[in-house]
Amino acid sequence: GESVGLHLPTLSVQEGDNSIINCAYSNSASDYFIWYKQESGKGPQFIIDIRSNMDKRQGQRVTVLLNKTVKHLSLQIAATQPGDSAVYFCAENGGGFKTIFGAGTRLFVKA
Amino acid sequence: DTEVTQTPKHLVMGMTNKKSLKCEQHMGHRAMYWYKQKAKKPPELMFVYSYEKLSINESVPSRFSPECPNSSLLNLHLHALQPEDSALYLCASSQGANRGVNTEAFFGQGTRLTVV
Repeated sequence: GESVGLHLPTLSVQEGDNSIINCAYSNSASDYFIWYKQESGKGPQFIIDIRSNMDKRQGQRVTVLLNKTVKHLSLQIAATQPGDSAVYFCAENGGGFKTIFGAGTRLFVKA
Repeated sequence: DTEVTQTPKHLVMGMTNKKSLKCEQHMGHRAMYWYKQKAKKPPELMFVYSYEKLSINESVPSRFSPECPNSSLLNLHLHALQPEDSALYLCASSQGANRGVNTEAFFGQGTRLTVV
C-alpha cells in the first residue's frame, strides 16, 4: 500500500556534527514532500519542503534531497545543536489534502 | 499570526461523556485538518475541511463528529469514546490545495485526550 517509511528509528549525533535523516516513500504519484520536527509535548513544526520537480532545496542549516528514481528523501541538518533534538517526520502528498506521515526518526544530540 | 490554537490542552472524559475539542486559526487558511497521534507514532489524518466543507473523512468512527462553523474555527465533537481513543488530537491548517497544489500545514499544540 501507500506508505512513507524511514530507515532508522533513532539517530544519535555529536553536537556540531551534521545529521542525515532518511526517508523512503512508495507512492510514485507523490509530488510534494515535507519535513516536520516534533518536540515533546508540541505539535509538528514545518521545517522544509520540496516539490517533485526539484532534487534539492536548502534552508537555514537544513537541506532536503529528493531522489525520485529510488523514491528516497533525506534531511540534512548542518552543525547539529541540542535544540535540534526531536522527532523528525517526512510526509508525502500526491495532490489535494491527503498528506501521509512516515514513521518518524528520533534525533538525539550529544553535548 | 502563524498560530493554530487548540483548546483544551488536556481533557479527561468518561466513556459516556460528550465533549468538544476546539481549534482556531487566523492565517486566512482555507483548509483545516484533524489528526490523531498515538504515542511514538506519526499523526494519522482523520478529517479535512476545505472552504468549510468536509473534504476527507478517513473512515473515522461516528463517535467523532467534526464541525467547521466558519473559516477560522474547527471543532471535533466527541461522544461515547473508548479508552483506545486516548491520544493526542492535532489540528492543522494550510492555505489549501489551489489547483491541486498543496502547501505545508501549520499544527496546533494538540489536545491530550484521556478516555477513562
